[in-house]
Amino acid sequence: AQSVTQLGSHVSVSEGALVLLRCNYSSSVPPYLFWYVQYPNQGLQLLLKYTTGATLVKGINGFEAEFKKSETSFHLTKPSAHMSDAAEYFCAVSDMDSNYQLIWGAGTKLIIKP
Amino acid sequence: DGGITQSPKYLFRKEGQNVTLSCEQNLNHDAMYWYRQDPGQGLRLIYYSQIVNDFQKGDIAEGYSVSREKKESFPLTVTSAQKNPTAFYLCATGRWGFGYTFGSGTRLTVV
Repeated sequence: AQSVTQLGSHVSVSEGALVLLRCNYSSSVPPYLFWYVQYPNQGLQLLLKYTTGATLVKGINGFEAEFKKSETSFHLTKPSAHMSDAAEYFCAVSDMDSNYQLIWGAGTKLIIKP
Repeated sequence: DGGITQSPKYLFRKEGQNVTLSCEQNLNHDAMYWYRQDPGQGLRLIYYSQIVNDFQKGDIAEGYSVSREKKESFPLTVTSAQKNPTAFYLCATGRWGFGYTFGSGTRLTVV
């Protein structure tokens, strides 16, 4: 069965520093991978996704993620954190076995220190 | 402009009362989902529907009911059997392999 692990329920970085949010997944078939962002009292917004092709995926707001099959990882990065990046981030996986239904990680709350 | 609309944004329920949360989409997506979100607990699936007139229980369906009479609409009823309904409820639509599109959510509070 598929599963998603996000390391760290809270991650704190200084403004201007590198953002790294970790996501590891399990899937027995080629996965589709997603990162979503949620601001307080709002729905989730798609940041980026990997389906096929290039393993480095660029998303909105300067975020990117790299699919590493050998490590079963899809970590989210941003070179320089901004105060507006403070939000909760969710990683998700889907594949043929789940009928393309998304399996979610528990979420990581990103805190930006001034 | 295509999208997904949840209403109301805030809802208050008295003890023993049933309430219905609305979810409407004009994205022409087949699949629709209801999630519950509590602080620190991520997303928990309540019900989902992949086609009109068919729906499946998710992980926490007890105390909830849904209907899918038309493609555009997937209302969620929180019944009096749900003993702890205070939460943030999210509706989403999905296309195979393309991820989900979310509504802006309904915050339900028991008074």
